Amino acid sequence: DPKIIQKPKYLVAVTGSEKILICEQYLGHNAMYWYRQSAKKPLEFMFSYSYQKLMDNQTASSRFQPQSSKKNHLDLQITALKPDDSATYFCASSHRANTEVFFGKGTRLTVV
Amino acid sequence: QQKVQQSPESLSVPEGGMASLNCTSSDRNFQYFWWYRQHSGEGPKALMSIFSDGDKKEGRFTAHLNKASLHVSLHIRDSQPSDSALYFCAAPNYNQGKLIFGQGTKLSIKP
Repeated sequence: DPKIIQKPKYLVAVTGSEKILICEQYLGHNAMYWYRQSAKKPLEFMFSYSYQKLMDNQTASSRFQPQSSKKNHLDLQITALKPDDSATYFCASSHRANTEVFFGKGTRLTVV
Repeated sequence: QQKVQQSPESLSVPEGGMASLNCTSSDRNFQYFWWYRQHSGEGPKALMSIFSDGDKKEGRFTAHLNKASLHVSLHIRDSQPSDSALYFCAAPNYNQGKLIFGQGTKLSIKP
């Protein structure tokens, strides 16, 4: 019974298009994160949110925008997609910062 | 700049054997470490954390931390085929609440 739900599991997008990756967590956690995993850079931190406020952004490009409409939601909007954005994107959460981080199963994005 | 380095990149161990994974940090601000395991098609899952110098044992898994040398290791005894996975060492960045991951060790347990 997954407690962190990511949708969709697989996603194919055309270069230049825009996609939204969905994440909901049912662990009652206050901190949520996005990480990216590719063959070139395994498990790279992207964003952290605490109580729906942005804590840290390590993504150089403004094409990546997290969106938190509810406490247990943290979606990721990616605009002007590039083939280099192809990766598996993991949503994660923790009770608070610096406690155990739990990961979802990921959304595998392929940009063609 | 990679602040958490893992070795080896890949490791093959016979079933029932001992697997030893290593991790070194270049940042003295890292005060403790996590070990995560990722099976194919899944997200990473925490195995254990270690805060203090010395050994910490949880079942077949033993982590060892040496803060002076910023070295942490993970030893898996009586390795099982289900232990085949990617193993990551991770250090929390206190100020930002994020985990800095090493590049991973791919462990294969041969029946």
